Amino acid sequence: SQKIEQNSEALNIQEGKTATLTCNYTNYSPAYLQWYRQDPGRGPVFLLLIRENEKEKRKERLKVTFDTTLKQSLFHITASQPADSATYLCALVNTNAGKSTFGDGTTLTVKP
Amino acid sequence: DAGVIQSPRHEVTEMGQEVTLRCKPISGHNSLFWYRQTMMRGLELLIYFNNNVPIDDSGMPEDRFSAKMPNASFSTLKIQPSEPRDSAVYFCASTTFRDRKNIQYFGAGTRLSVL
Repeated sequence: SQKIEQNSEALNIQEGKTATLTCNYTNYSPAYLQWYRQDPGRGPVFLLLIRENEKEKRKERLKVTFDTTLKQSLFHITASQPADSATYLCALVNTNAGKSTFGDGTTLTVKP
Repeated sequence: DAGVIQSPRHEVTEMGQEVTLRCKPISGHNSLFWYRQTMMRGLELLIYFNNNVPIDDSGMPEDRFSAKMPNASFSTLKIQPSEPRDSAVYFCASTTFRDRKNIQYFGAGTRLSVL
C-alpha cells in the first residue's frame, strides 16, 4: 500500500520567509497529488492539485512541485504571513480506486 | 451550498453506548468518505461510497463500526458498542467521482469522546 511521509511534524519560520514543506511517497506515482490546509477544529480544505505530468503549479503565493523520479512533492509558501499558520497535508489520489491517501501533515507556524 | 454538514459537532458518551454520527454531503456530489483523525494515526479512511453504494470498507476497524448511505443526501456512521479507543475526530467528505481528481470537501467533523 502507498506510504506517505511528510517530513518534520512542525516547521517554524519568520514572517516574510518562504516555507517549504515536503511530501515523500513510496510505490506507484499517483495521477494527481493534492495539498490541503487544516486549521484547528476544522476539516481539511483543498488548496492545490498537480498532475503527474506537471512539474510545477502556482496559485498566488503558493507553489507546488512534483518529481515522480524522486517520488516527492514540495509545497512552498512565499512571503509567509502569520495567517498561513496551519497544518498542511498532502494527499495522493488513486484514480483507479477512487480514493486518496493522506499524509500526517506538517504544522507550520509563522512568527511575526 | 452550505458545504458538507456533520452532526453532532461534539459527542461525549460512556463506554458501551451506541454512537451515531451523521453527514449531509454537498448536493450533486456522488462520492462520500468517512475518516477518523487522531494524533497517533493521522487521517484514516474508514469507508467510502459511490452513488450510495459502499465501495471500500477495508478501513473500518472492527465490526462495531457500520456505515450506511440510504440516499444521496445522507449518511451515518455508527459505533456499537463504543470504546474509549474510539475517541477521535470523525470527518465526512464528499466529491464528484466523475472527474477522477477526487478533490474532497470536508465537513467540520465530530469530536467523539468515549469515557
